[in-house]
Amino acid sequence: AQSVTQPDIHITVSEGASLELRCNYSYGATPYLFWYVQSPGQGLQLLLKYFSGDTLVQGIKGFEAEFKRSQSSFNLRKPSVHWSDAAEYFCAVGGASGGSYIPTFGRGTSLIVHP
Amino acid sequence: KAGVTQTPRYLIKTRGQQVTLSCSPISGHRSVSWYQQTPGQGLQFLFEYFSETQRNKGNFPGRFSGRQFSNSRSEMNVSTLELGDSALYLCASSLGQANYEQYFGPGTRLTVT
Repeated sequence: AQSVTQPDIHITVSEGASLELRCNYSYGATPYLFWYVQSPGQGLQLLLKYFSGDTLVQGIKGFEAEFKRSQSSFNLRKPSVHWSDAAEYFCAVGGASGGSYIPTFGRGTSLIVHP
Repeated sequence: KAGVTQTPRYLIKTRGQQVTLSCSPISGHRSVSWYQQTPGQGLQFLFEYFSETQRNKGNFPGRFSGRQFSNSRSEMNVSTLELGDSALYLCASSLGQANYEQYFGPGTRLTVT
């Protein structure tokens, strides 16, 4: 069975500081990996995805993530956080079956940004 | 291009009632998935429809059902509502056919009293 662990429930950073959100997954084959962001009262917005190829993927809003198969991790990073980045971040893992895709989401990490 | 829309945005129902939620996917998207989001259980997959057929179903009771129309719009129905059904219900659309980028709507906040 596939699963995702986001070890940090809350993370607090100062504006301008760097950020790393952790994501560990369990999946039997090559996974599809995603990071989403959710602002209060909103749906999820896709930040970036990994299907195959280069293990360092670039996303929107200056985010990047690195796939490390040996560590079963897909951590999200940003070199300089902006106050508008405060939100809930979700990592998701899944694979395809018959053209369909069913992701499993982590429990989320709440990012708090101090001015 | 318009995003995924969900109606209504907020809903209050009484235990035992039934409810229908609607989702309009992005134009050209043929796959629609539904998720339930609660503080206790997080984001859980309900079901996915593609070309009017349910392709996958999550681990939810039969009270939860859905359908998809020929224009790819989708509805989900919950019958005999329970207090535990209070949640944010999210719809996501994608092109389907091996494209797994999902675009989420803003959700419908259902409160069961």
